[in-house]
Amino acid sequence: EIVMTQSPATLSVSPGERATLSCRASQSVSSNLAWYQQKPGQAPRLLIYGASTRATGIPARFSGSGSGTEFTLTISSLQSEDFAVYYCQQYHNWPPYTFGQGTKLEIK
Amino acid sequence: QVQLVESGGGLVKPGGSLRLSCAASGFTFSDSYMSWIRQAPGKGLEWVSYISHSGRTILYTDSVKGRFTISRDSAKNSLFLQMNSLRAEDTATYYCARMVEDTVVAGLFYFDYWGRGTLVTVSS
Repeated sequence: EIVMTQSPATLSVSPGERATLSCRASQSVSSNLAWYQQKPGQAPRLLIYGASTRATGIPARFSGSGSGTEFTLTISSLQSEDFAVYYCQQYHNWPPYTFGQGTKLEIK
Repeated sequence: QVQLVESGGGLVKPGGSLRLSCAASGFTFSDSYMSWIRQAPGKGLEWVSYISHSGRTILYTDSVKGRFTISRDSAKNSLFLQMNSLRAEDTATYYCARMVEDTVVAGLFYFDYWGRGTLVTVSS
């Protein structure tokens, strides 16, 4: 099973600033990685797939990068609606699909 | 638009059973691969089970094998999860999610739409 590790657990950033979230895989997942956003009481929403491709309707301020075992989600200029929990997920080697434990992005 | 609506959650005693349903609309359900994913209170996401579009391929995470059964009724655009021998550690919000095949690598799928979930609580 591939273990996904996200850092930091909590990130405090001011609106308008840049946020950088990290995700590491225990073995290579190539570019088969997705990012999801989850707000309280809501279902997760797909942001990024293929490590760097934005899903339909996702604003350009969200970008993904990386391959192999190291990945980054960057939000270039934080808006109020971006404060949420973010999960990475590998779909390279399954079953099982595995998720990181999440990074909570909070307002500084 | 794509909609997934789960139902069937509730409070059940350890050892009991529940059947979750997911009503799908806004897309061709019979062509879609589907999964159940759960989230324990205050915790992260855990994939539970997968079913192919035809229903011929079914997979489970190890902790639910032999206890949970995924199925689908494409005539009714519905996905199901029969959960037996429930344990306290099965307490979670259960989401159904549509899977879409990666455009670069065939045979690899990620989750593009999720329902709002249904809460299952296993407690005496």
